[in-house]
Amino acid sequence: DGGITQSPKYLFRKEGQNVTLSCEQNLNHDAMYWYRQDPGQGLRLIYYSQIVNDFQKGDIAEGYSVSREKKESFPLTVTSAQKNPTAFYLCASRPAATDTQYFGPGTRLTVL
Amino acid sequence: SQQGEEDPQALSIQEGENATMNCSYKTSINNLQWYRQNSGRGLVHLILIRSNEREKHSGRLRVTLDTSKKSSSLLITASRAADTASYFCATGVSGGYNKLIFGAGTRLAVHP
Repeated sequence: DGGITQSPKYLFRKEGQNVTLSCEQNLNHDAMYWYRQDPGQGLRLIYYSQIVNDFQKGDIAEGYSVSREKKESFPLTVTSAQKNPTAFYLCASRPAATDTQYFGPGTRLTVL
Repeated sequence: SQQGEEDPQALSIQEGENATMNCSYKTSINNLQWYRQNSGRGLVHLILIRSNEREKHSGRLRVTLDTSKKSSSLLITASRAADTASYFCATGVSGGYNKLIFGAGTRLAVHP
């Protein structure tokens, strides 16, 4: 099956802990994105990467970090510096020369 | 910053009726896209309309774009209960990385 996978589906974190959300795609897409969605709101861009070993901050990057060591993988770390991390996190990828993004199923992070 | 604003925020209709959702935006765009999100799931791309296009169809979907008014509408004809979801418009803006700016969405409920 081709597609974008995110794991875990649900994640619980204690305050002060860092957690890493996984995003993997086997679509051979160059660009990958991380978004945050809060209840009743649209998506806000956290980080994006257009090629391996390169990534850029989006609109709300504070308290988050990413890496792009492989084309297929774009993990997101939510650090303890993120003051309000409880949210639904969505990963997306985009093939070259198109504008359409393809989304994973999301990870719901809850801080206890 | 969120550019797209959907109207209405929520819409409740009966099966067989048409559903119309509107989206307004503020700055120049390259394209405008509509996505659907079922509760707690990822987003699914529905349709893309470029800034030089005025209308586009895909199955039961019809999208219009008025760049002079900075607005778009999504029409779903002969709605079905399975169309129940949130619908988001996303504006594609220039910037070198195919950035999408999402609105807060319209929650559509289609009753049998």
